[in-house]
This record gives sequence, C-alpha cells and structure tokens, in this order.
Amino acid sequence: GDSVTQMEGPVTLSEEAFLTINCTYTATGYPSLFWYVQYPGEGLQLLLKATKADDKGSNKGFEATYRKETTSFHLEKGSVQVSDSAVYFCALSARDTGRRALTFGSGTRLQVQP
Amino acid sequence: GAGVSQSPSNKVTEKGKDVELRCDPISGHTALYWYRQSLGQGLEFLIYFQGNSAPDKSGLPSDRFSAERTGGSVSTLTIQRTQQEDSAVYLCASSALGTGGRTGELFFGEGSRLTVL
Repeated sequence: GDSVTQMEGPVTLSEEAFLTINCTYTATGYPSLFWYVQYPGEGLQLLLKATKADDKGSNKGFEATYRKETTSFHLEKGSVQVSDSAVYFCALSARDTGRRALTFGSGTRLQVQP
Repeated sequence: GAGVSQSPSNKVTEKGKDVELRCDPISGHTALYWYRQSLGQGLEFLIYFQGNSAPDKSGLPSDRFSAERTGGSVSTLTIQRTQQEDSAVYLCASSALGTGGRTGELFFGEGSRLTVL
C-alpha cells in the first residue's frame, strides 16, 4: 500500500540556519505530494504541494521538488525563523486509485532557537 | 463557520464507556474526513464522507467505531466500549467539491484529544 516516510525529529536549529526535512514515498501510479504544517495549538494547514514529477512547490520561503526517480519530496528552507517552529507532515494523494484520502507521514518536529 | 470546529477539545473517559466526537466543517464543504493521530505516529485515515454518504470507511479500526454525517454538514464519530488503545487525537478535515483527496487542500480542525483510562 501507499506509505510516506519522514526523518524523525525533533530537528533543532538556530535562527537563520538551513533546513532540510527528508520525505520519501511509496505509491502506485503517480501521486500528488504535499507538505502540511501544524503550528502549536493550531490545526494542520497546507504549506505547499506538487502534482507531477519535477514540479517545485513553494510557500513562505519553503520549497520542495517532486523527484520521481528517487521517490522523494524533501522540504527545504534557506533561513529558518523562530516562527517556523512547528510539526511538518509530508503526505501523498494516490491519484490513480481514486482514493480520496491523503496518506501522511509521522511528522517531524522543528524547533528553531533564537 | 470560519474554520473546521471540533468538540470536545479534550475528553477523558473510563475504559468501556462510549464517546462521541463532533466535527463542524467549513460551510459549503462537501467532503469530510476523520483521521486519528496516536503519540509518535502519523495521521491514520479513518473515514471519508461525500455529502451524507461514506464511500470510504476502510480505515475504521473495528466495529466499535462508527461515524455519521447529517445534512451534509456536521459529523459525529462514535467509539463504543472504549479501550486504552483508542487514546489519540482525532482530527477532522473538510474540503470543497469532494476533490480534496486529489488536490490536497484539506482544512483541518484542531482535534479532539481522547484519553481512555
């Protein structure tokens, strides 16, 4: 079945450091890929997405590129801020199966220190 | 409403009791999803509604779990005879046009934290 694997956290960085959170997936067909973020005390919200190979999703300084050859969708940011502290979830939508629900990874907690 | 609303935000119950969790989706959203998040685990899909029908309930872990949706709006997730392994955060999400599973634009509530003693 479909699955998403994320690097375990927590990831602790100093402000202005470079961030990478790894995400790899297993899916039939050609899924759409997403990053969701959950800030403290809030619900999950969509951060960015990519719907086909080589697409780059970007938002709020975060980027992720859909790599079909390595089945990966790593999240990156060049300079993190304290306000980026949150839990980040990688997810996929198995387009070809028609399944409506998203499959999520286990989440990676990011802590940014001033 | 402005966002997805869930209640209660916290529920502590004794093993064997029944619990009901409520989700009020964004007005006009036809698709509604329930997920469960256990400590240290990812989000586990439970059930998907399109309008009042549930075309995908494959994630419900046992027959103690049931869900309904009325009027194409509010949904209730019921857990009967709760067990300690049911302790988790139950998340509800909604999406417009019933295509959330394809576009990924789900809008989540803050969740209901269930603790079974």
